[in-house]
Amino acid sequence: AQSVTQPDIHITVSEGASLELRCNYSYGATPYLFWYVQSPGQGLQLLLKYFSGDTLVQGIKGFEAEFKRSQSSFNLRKPSVHWSDAAEYFCAVGAGSNYQLIWGAGTKLIIKP
Amino acid sequence: GAVVSQHPSRVICKSGTSVKIECRSLDFQATTMFWYRQFPKQSLMLMATSNEGSKATYEQGVEKDKFLINHASLTLSTLTVTSAHPEDSSFYICSAREATSSQYFGPGTRLTVL
Repeated sequence: AQSVTQPDIHITVSEGASLELRCNYSYGATPYLFWYVQSPGQGLQLLLKYFSGDTLVQGIKGFEAEFKRSQSSFNLRKPSVHWSDAAEYFCAVGAGSNYQLIWGAGTKLIIKP
Repeated sequence: GAVVSQHPSRVICKSGTSVKIECRSLDFQATTMFWYRQFPKQSLMLMATSNEGSKATYEQGVEKDKFLINHASLTLSTLTVTSAHPEDSSFYICSAREATSSQYFGPGTRLTVL
């Protein structure tokens, strides 16, 4: 069955420290992979996506993610977090003819001053 | 680019009334639009997938007679919650898919049914 797992419900990181949010997927074909961020009171914003090609994908706000087929992973990284990065992060796989999104449960990022 | 708007952002209604939520893609044509429901501290739950000019495809457990979806044009989809009850209170989010397969999301509509 198709699924997306984000093993960390929440993560706390000090401002200026590096960040890695984990995402594992289960999907039969080559996946379309996405990371979205949802800030309080705001809509979901697309951070980055992977369709094909270079497995290291650059996104907005200084985020990047690496697709590793052998590990069925698409982890999100940022070298130095800012307080404004505090939000909920969702990993998703696009599936089916309409590219419906299969969502992970989300990881809440907390930034320590 | 790729902006999706939703209206209204917040609505409070009495039990038994109907509420319509609009979702518009402002700067692109969206062949497919999606409607989600999000419960507090949870991920999004897909309610239905809507292709322009076709009937919406509802996910299992979603009542199509209660949640009426119309996708009359490539830039507009509407969700009508009919005969709303307190258990329908939730955060409803729409998204629109552009040709590159990315979904762009509206800001959501907070529905409160008294």
